[in-house]
Amino acid sequence: DQQVKQNSPSLSVQEGRISILNCDYTNSMFDYFLWYKKYPAEGPTFLISISSIKDKNEDGRFTVFLNKSAKHLSLHIVPSQPGDSAVYFCAASPAGGTSYGKLTFGQGTILTVHP
Amino acid sequence: DADVTQTPRNRITKTGKRIMLECSQTKGHDRMYWYRQDPGLGLRLIYYSFDVKDINKGEISDGYSVSRQAQAKFSLSLESAIPNQTALYFCATGGGSTDTQYFGPGTRLTVL
Repeated sequence: DQQVKQNSPSLSVQEGRISILNCDYTNSMFDYFLWYKKYPAEGPTFLISISSIKDKNEDGRFTVFLNKSAKHLSLHIVPSQPGDSAVYFCAASPAGGTSYGKLTFGQGTILTVHP
Repeated sequence: DADVTQTPRNRITKTGKRIMLECSQTKGHDRMYWYRQDPGLGLRLIYYSFDVKDINKGEISDGYSVSRQAQAKFSLSLESAIPNQTALYFCATGGGSTDTQYFGPGTRLTVL
């Protein structure tokens, strides 16, 4: 049972345009969501996160939107740059305490930004 | 220097062999995790530890064991490796009241 799904295995975008990566989840206990970026031969790198009490969080070119009623989150990258080409994973975590860091990951989306 | 290191970075072994993957961190975090990544499946949690005396099974712990030798060290063992354990293995750390985790560079394990 895949509780976090990234239904698009890949996305191709022109440099300067917007990249939108999507993620859906099924577990209503999830209340903290994260996006990670992964380059080949490296470990995932934390990018941005959002708590369920918010519907938007912005950090420079990266914005994460959360729609709790739809159990959907998205990552917007504006403007996209060739260096953003990587695999992007969304992850979700239930409330804290003993569940700290029990992240459930999506399958990943390969983003390619063309010059 | 990297905050989270993993050794070895690459390993080829044979079915039935025992193998240990090691993870060290200098971030001072209490929580440590082991994940495996398979194509199309994302990262799945194998084991996690909230401190030296606390070890917990994750989603896919069968066939694996772990040891938390110190706050900074968390090792993953495959007692008798099998080919479907061929994967990328990542160690991660976490600390404080945030769920954010910080990953090592990974170990590519091939079991023949």
